[in-house]
Amino acid sequence: QQQVKQSPQSLIVQKGGISIINCAYENTAFDYFPWYQQFPGKGPALLIAIRPDVSEKKEGRFTISFNKSAKQFSLHIMDSQPGDSATYFCAATLTAGGTSYGKLTFGQGTILTVHP
Amino acid sequence: IAGITQAPTSQILAAGRRMTLRCTQDMRHNAMYWYRQDLGLGLRLIHYSNTAGTTGKGEVPDGYSVSRANTDDFPLTLASAVPSQTSVYFCASSVRLARYNEQFFGPGTRLTVL
Repeated sequence: QQQVKQSPQSLIVQKGGISIINCAYENTAFDYFPWYQQFPGKGPALLIAIRPDVSEKKEGRFTISFNKSAKQFSLHIMDSQPGDSATYFCAATLTAGGTSYGKLTFGQGTILTVHP
Repeated sequence: IAGITQAPTSQILAAGRRMTLRCTQDMRHNAMYWYRQDLGLGLRLIHYSNTAGTTGKGEVPDGYSVSRANTDDFPLTLASAVPSQTSVYFCASSVRLARYNEQFFGPGTRLTVL
């Protein structure tokens, strides 16, 4: 059972464009939603995260939009750069109680390529 | 060393052989995790440990075992490897299992089972 569904599987964007990656979750008890970035040959690293009490969080060119009623959240990369080319994973977890307590459930990943 | 180290970097293994993937962290984190990464499936949790001396099963634990004898080390053992265990394996750690703790990942081990 895939509790977090991510799309698209791959994305090609021109330099300066906006990259948008979407995720949907099933468990309404999830209460923390991080995004991880992975460069080729490396392990994933935390990029940005959001809690469901806010609808948007922005850090530099990266923004998470969160829609609790639709159980969806998305990552927007503004002014995309070739250095942003990487695999992006959304994730979800519970911070208090439940079988998913403290453990991340990841989406399937999106391979982003930004052309110069 | 700084962060998380994994060994070996890559390995080709005959089916039926036993294999241990090593993971060491120097951040004194309490929680540690093993994931496998497969294209189209993302990262899936195999086993985790909340603190030294305790372990728990993740989403895909069958065919794998772990131990946590001390804070720093968290080895993953494949008792009798099968081709479906061909994957990239990542070890990770966090300060604690609970709440909003960032997970730090190692560089990964690419395992091929023939």
